[in-house]
Amino acid sequence: DADVTQTPRNRITKTGKRIMLECSQTKGHDRMYWYRQDPGLGLQLIYYSFDVKDINKGEISDGYSVSRQAQAKFSLSLESAIPNQTALYFCATSQGPDTQYFGPGTRLTVL
Amino acid sequence: AQKVTQAQTEISVVEKEDVTLDCVYETRDTTYYLFWYKQPPSGELVFLIRRNSFDEQNEISGRYSWNFQKSTSSFNFTITASQVVDSAVYFCALPPNAGNNRKLIWGLGTSLGVNP
Repeated sequence: DADVTQTPRNRITKTGKRIMLECSQTKGHDRMYWYRQDPGLGLQLIYYSFDVKDINKGEISDGYSVSRQAQAKFSLSLESAIPNQTALYFCATSQGPDTQYFGPGTRLTVL
Repeated sequence: AQKVTQAQTEISVVEKEDVTLDCVYETRDTTYYLFWYKQPPSGELVFLIRRNSFDEQNEISGRYSWNFQKSTSSFNFTITASQVVDSAVYFCALPPNAGNNRKLIWGLGTSLGVNP
């Protein structure tokens, strides 16, 4: 089984809908991250969490919120989806500032 | 400021050719790590290697090798005898410095196409 899982893997939704992307890990890592990837822009950090009670905004947090329900679970919400949030979303984990391991990604399309 | 530059946007080679992907970085830190990740067409991000700035020895793993040169701030990645399955986007990344312990600094990636 994969160490970092993301659900759903693909999602098509409409403008204005609320969407939740979920991430779970079995690596026992303390840190979790949400990134988005757009063609030509590389990876941009949305939110990151160093532990359950420590959540921080990344460089593009507007329009997004997160919840760290447990050490192993970190969910990303789009409160009111808009078309420019169409992207590939990745969850990642690390133990401290060490290597980040990524989930398989969620391809989100907002119509 | 920290920065990672992958000047090669796209590279196309024929199978069995050797290919080198360049990565140049900037950092004020005296000690640091560098990473390479692979993103195949299926989309997942796969960790390839972590390199500590203490260690400038070249690293070899099968057909993959990495040349780290602190003097030129480069961490280049060579694939020997490339195969079609090596077709992917490859990213070089640099961790945050001690005062900005938030995220990896990513290059924009090099898209490698290996043709049969």
